[in-house]
Amino acid sequence: KQEVTQIPAALSVPEGENLVLNCSFTDSAIYNLQWFRQDPGKGLTSLLLIQSSQREQTSGRLNASLDKSSGRSTLYIAASQPGDSATYLCAVRRAGTASKLTFGTGTRLQVTL
Amino acid sequence: KAGVTQTPRYLIKTRGQQVTLSCSPISGHRSVSWYQQTPGQGLQFLFEYFSETQRNKGNFPGRFSGRQFSNSRSEMNVSTLELGDSALYLCASSWGRGPSLTATNEKLFFGSGTQLSVL
Repeated sequence: KQEVTQIPAALSVPEGENLVLNCSFTDSAIYNLQWFRQDPGKGLTSLLLIQSSQREQTSGRLNASLDKSSGRSTLYIAASQPGDSATYLCAVRRAGTASKLTFGTGTRLQVTL
Repeated sequence: KAGVTQTPRYLIKTRGQQVTLSCSPISGHRSVSWYQQTPGQGLQFLFEYFSETQRNKGNFPGRFSGRQFSNSRSEMNVSTLELGDSALYLCASSWGRGPSLTATNEKLFFGSGTQLSVL
């Protein structure tokens, strides 16, 4: 059974700092990995998707990497801003499971002024 | 382009009642999946529909059911509500199978959810 863990559970940083969020998964037979952000009481917004054959994806100040063999992914946020405050979730899709995602526990990020 | 729409936004029910939640996917998307989010269990997969057929199901009791219509809109139903069913129910849509498999097509797009409270 796939298990996805995110460390740390919560993080508070001052504005302008670069930061790294970690995601680990137990079964390396994944099809892709997706990072989402969730604002309180809201749905999920897709940030980046990495296919199993890829090593990283970039979008603006965000960079996600994937090391499938070691079961790890990182989300790097450069020059953090207060608007980045949210919960960040990673999710893996196992090969052959259509749209079923297994989500991590999330990292709650607060960026302070 | 309109996003994924879920209605209603909030629901308050009592134990034993039943409830129906609705999800309208992004135009052209044929796959709709449902997730339950609670503080204790996080996000858990309920089921997925593609072209009116359920093609994947999570580990939830039979009280949780769903369906998809020919226009890809989906509903999920929970019967005999229990206190533990209180949660944010999220719907997500995607192309599912084409028109061409690219990274963009594989993404799931989520609605804002329906917050269900069972009293």
